[in-house]
Formats: sequence, C-alpha cells, structure tokens
Amino acid sequence: QAQLVQSGAEVKKPGASVRVSCKASGYSFSSYGITWVRQAPGQGLEWMGWISAHTGDTNYAQRLQGRVIMTTDTSTTAAYMELRSLRSDDTAVYYCARVPSSGWRDALDIWGQGTMVTVSS
Amino acid sequence: DIVMTQTPLSLSVTPGQPASISCKSSQSLLHSDGKTYLCWYLQKPGQSPQLLIYEVSSRFSGVPDRFSGSGSGTDFTLKISRVEAEDVGVYYCMQSIQLPLTFGGGTKVEIK
Repeated sequence: QAQLVQSGAEVKKPGASVRVSCKASGYSFSSYGITWVRQAPGQGLEWMGWISAHTGDTNYAQRLQGRVIMTTDTSTTAAYMELRSLRSDDTAVYYCARVPSSGWRDALDIWGQGTMVTVSS
Repeated sequence: DIVMTQTPLSLSVTPGQPASISCKSSQSLLHSDGKTYLCWYLQKPGQSPQLLIYEVSSRFSGVPDRFSGSGSGTDFTLKISRVEAEDVGVYYCMQSIQLPLTFGGGTKVEIK
C-alpha cells in the first residue's frame, strides 16, 4: 500500500540548515504532489509548501520564502525539504503528505510519520 | 490568507453519544470548478494527522460511517454520530481553495 517514510530526528544549532527526506512507495510517485506541513510543540498545523513530483513546480509559504527549498528525485521516489538559517521557532515536527493529484488543491490523503527537528544552541 | 475558525476548542463526550465540530472560513471555499475545498483531519495522540473527510462530505477510504461532514460556502460541520474511544484526538479542518493552505486551530475530543 502507499506510504511515506521520513528521515529521523535532527538537532541543529541556530543558523544551520536541515534537510528532511520523505521516501514514497506503493504508488506512482511522479503522478502526484507532496505537501510539507509542520507542527510546533503543542501547536496546530502549518502549511509550508507544495511540490509537484511530475514537473518540479513549487509553491512556498510566504513567511518561509528564501529559507525553504523543496525538491523531488523521481529515480528514488523521494521528496526533500531543506530549511536554512534555522531559528528556535523552527523547532517542530515536520510532515510530508501526498496530494493525490497533479495540483496542490486536493486533500492530503497519506502522511509520513513526522520528523522532529530541534533547533537549540 | 483565509482564516479558519473552529469551535469548540475542546469537547468531552460520553461513549455512544454524538459530537459536532464547527468550522468557519473567512472566505467562501466554493471553487469555480464546482467543488468546495474543505476537508477534515484527525490527529490521534502521538500520531500523524489522518484524512477523514474531503470536499465537505466525502468520507476517505476506510473511515467509519459514523463520521459525516456537511456545510457550504463558509460554514461547515463535522459530526460523529456515536463517539467511540478510538475517536479521541484533535480534529482539524483545512481549506485548499487558495494558497497558502490554512488549518483551523483544532478541536480536542476526549472521552468522559
């Protein structure tokens, strides 16, 4: 069955970068999109952005513009989210989720298990 | 950005009793393609969110029929006809008619 498996927890210092991976299996990876969502401790869900695995087109949350880069590798059916210039308020669980269409509008039907990123000096 | 407002913040329900959660959007979620882009997720304790309902009222595969969604325009409701112990967690509504996608603040459902 379709699933997304994310990389393990990370601890980073302020100003560093982090790269989270999301390995897809059980479906035609390049036919769909991947959305990234994060959740700060005890808080709600925040949309970070979307990437089309087919075209590589991206849309990013304005507040993260310039710091976030989303990519995909269709040869390994993996998606990546890199966040730069980390700050303490970037501490959160980061989720990848599948968008079951070529666009960004459809509901997120499959989610990864989440990756905890801790930013601390 | 579209603001999604959920009420109540929390709900304590006796097993077997119904529960209802409201979600209001600051703009209409009806798209020119005829679809309304409102969905519901449940995040069980310690787990990732899981899709329950998409396009207002369509249940996702495997979701029990005690969950139902309704509404139109800017006002939406998620109902659980008979709450079970496994339904505990935080429920979120989300709009996807316009970027950035935005979520409601969440409603925590507990069992009495």
